[in-house]
Amino acid sequence: TQLLEQSPQFLSIQEGENLTVYCNSSSVFSSLQWYRQEPGEGPVLLVTVVTGGEVKKLKRLTFQFGDARKDSSLHITAAQPGDTGLYLCAGALWGTYKYIFGTGTRLKVLA
Amino acid sequence: DAGVIQSPRHEVTEMGQEVTLRCKPISGHNSLFWYRQTMMRGLELLIYFNNNVPIDDSGMPEDRFSAKMPNASFSTLKIQPSEPRDSAVYFCASSSGLAGALDTGELFFGEGSRLTVL
Repeated sequence: TQLLEQSPQFLSIQEGENLTVYCNSSSVFSSLQWYRQEPGEGPVLLVTVVTGGEVKKLKRLTFQFGDARKDSSLHITAAQPGDTGLYLCAGALWGTYKYIFGTGTRLKVLA
Repeated sequence: DAGVIQSPRHEVTEMGQEVTLRCKPISGHNSLFWYRQTMMRGLELLIYFNNNVPIDDSGMPEDRFSAKMPNASFSTLKIQPSEPRDSAVYFCASSSGLAGALDTGELFFGEGSRLTVL
């Protein structure tokens, strides 16, 4: 059973376009993280959101945690080829050390 | 800091052979995680340790898989006997945090060990 579903699975867009990636679950998480993974490397943390409804911005990236702490979104404004990669959300089950990863969204930004 | 160090980076073996993957977490981190990544199943949590103690191994596929953490600076994941369906990239990650509301609990990943079982 996959606890965290991401959509879309694949996304190919032109440079300059905007996009949103979704991460959904029926479980409640104490915090939710977004990672980006490049080929041949491990995932690297982009942001952590811990409060329901929280919005965080990282340059052109905007992250939101759902009010019920079950879902999250990642919005990229004016995508650039350097944004290409695998985006993963990860939820921390409350009171545990257990981090569950989403199914992943593979983004390709064409110049 | 050197980050999380995994070895080997690549391993090719034949079905039935024993495979041992190694991990050195970041010094001072008290949680260690083993994940497996495939195209079909994504990144799956196999087992995690806190203060060298296995907390949850419910993600370990079957008895052929075992993991140990004899001290705070070393962990192994062993597959015996290996099968072609075990082919994947195995990641080790460490963290200094508890998965709670007041802690970021950032996971630091190694570069992974790519296992191919023929």
